[in-house]
Amino acid sequence: EAQVTQNPRYLITVTGKKLTVTCSQNMNHEYMSWYRQDPGLGLRQIYYSMNVEVTDKGDVPEGYKVSRKEKRNFPLILESPSPNQTSLYFCASSFLADASYEQYFGPGTRLTVT
Amino acid sequence: SQQGEEDPQALSIQEGENATMNCSYKTSINNLQWYRQNSGRGLVHLILIRSNEREKHSGRLRVTLDTSKKSSSLLITASRAADTASYFCASSGSARQLTFGSGTQLTVLP
Repeated sequence: EAQVTQNPRYLITVTGKKLTVTCSQNMNHEYMSWYRQDPGLGLRQIYYSMNVEVTDKGDVPEGYKVSRKEKRNFPLILESPSPNQTSLYFCASSFLADASYEQYFGPGTRLTVT
Repeated sequence: SQQGEEDPQALSIQEGENATMNCSYKTSINNLQWYRQNSGRGLVHLILIRSNEREKHSGRLRVTLDTSKKSSSLLITASRAADTASYFCASSGSARQLTFGSGTQLTVLP
C-alpha cells in the first residue's frame, strides 16, 4: 500500500531530551516536508527536501534538524526539545520535486514536551 | 510565511445543505489546493486548481479561483454527516513550499 508512515505516533518527553521522529514513504517521491499543526494556526512548514541530500528551512525551523540521506526517509530531530514544541507533527511527500503538486500526508505524531 | 486565511473558521449546517468555504492568499500562485482533515488525522488531498483555471469540479466538490482577488472558494454540495472535518486551502507560489491556511471546521448535522 502506498503510504507515508511516521513513528512514534504519540510521544511524551521532558525538556532537553533529544528525540527523533521518523518519516518514511514507499512511493519513490522526490519531495518531502515536515509541518507542525497548532490550534488556530493551521499547518506551518518546518523543513523540506527537494531530493536526497537537499534540505531547506521552512517557516518555523528553529529548534529542529532534518536529514535526507535516502530518498524514502526524512527524519525530524529535536536536539533539545522545549515545551513550545508541543504540537502535532505531520510528514508529507510529493511525487515531483515540486511542492505545488498533491502532497501525501502521514498520520501525524502528537508530541508533548513537559 | 502563513499566507492563507480561511473564512469562516467554523461552519455548521444540516445534512443535504451546501457548504461554502473561502480562502484568501497574499502572493501570486502557481496553483491552489484544498485538503480535508478528519479530527487529529493526516490531511487528504481533495482538489487542485491551476492559476489559469477559474473553476473546477470533482464529484460534489466545486472550486473557484479568482486570481485578481487572490481568493478561492470550495463548495460542497448536498453535504453528508461524513463530510464533517476541517478543510484547508494551500497555495504555492514556487516549487519549494506549500503554504496552508488556518482552516474551516465544518460540522454537518444529521
